[in-house]
Amino acid sequence: DQQVKQNSPSLSVQEGRISILNCDYTNSMFDYFLWYKKYPAEGPTFLISISSIKDKNEDGRFTVFLNKSAKHLSLHIVPSQPGDSAVYFCAARGGSYNTDKLIFGTGTRLQVFP
Amino acid sequence: GAGVSQTPSNKVTEKGKYVELRCDPISGHTALYWYRQSLGQGPEFLIYFQGTGAADDSGLPNDRFFAVRPEGSVSTLKIQRTERGDSAVYLCASSRGQGPPLHFGNGTRLTVT
Repeated sequence: DQQVKQNSPSLSVQEGRISILNCDYTNSMFDYFLWYKKYPAEGPTFLISISSIKDKNEDGRFTVFLNKSAKHLSLHIVPSQPGDSAVYFCAARGGSYNTDKLIFGTGTRLQVFP
Repeated sequence: GAGVSQTPSNKVTEKGKYVELRCDPISGHTALYWYRQSLGQGPEFLIYFQGTGAADDSGLPNDRFFAVRPEGSVSTLKIQRTERGDSAVYLCASSRGQGPPLHFGNGTRLTVT
């Protein structure tokens, strides 16, 4: 039972354009959402997060949008840069009472080409 | 600045053997998490500790897997009677104990032959 889904395994974007990565979830008890970035042979690195009481959070080139009614969040990167090429994971906290565990999606591989 | 440190970085073992994987969290972080990641998948939750106690062990797949954190700092993940299906990258993460974000180490790649 995949509670956090990233339906696009890969995305290719030209440098300077916008990258949009999508994530859907099924559990309405999730209260906090995060995006992580992962390079090969390294652990995931925290990128940006959003609480379930908000619908948008912005940090530099990165913006996360949350649509609770649709159980959908997205990460926008603008402008995209070649160094953004990595695997991006969406994660959600909770899903059951009183736990801080994160549930991860399967990831989207972003390639930014010149 | 010390991040989360995991040792060894690679471990090859034979089916049926016992292995221990070690995690040194960021200093001062009270929460410690274990995940494993198989090829093409996202990190899969195993267990997390608040201090010395396991706050949520609902992700441990069976009783061959066990983790300890006796002094509330370093943690060891122990796998008994390893199986080929245990082959994966085992990731450790820590946080200040007030929830996310989690800070991950580079993982231990376990290969069971």
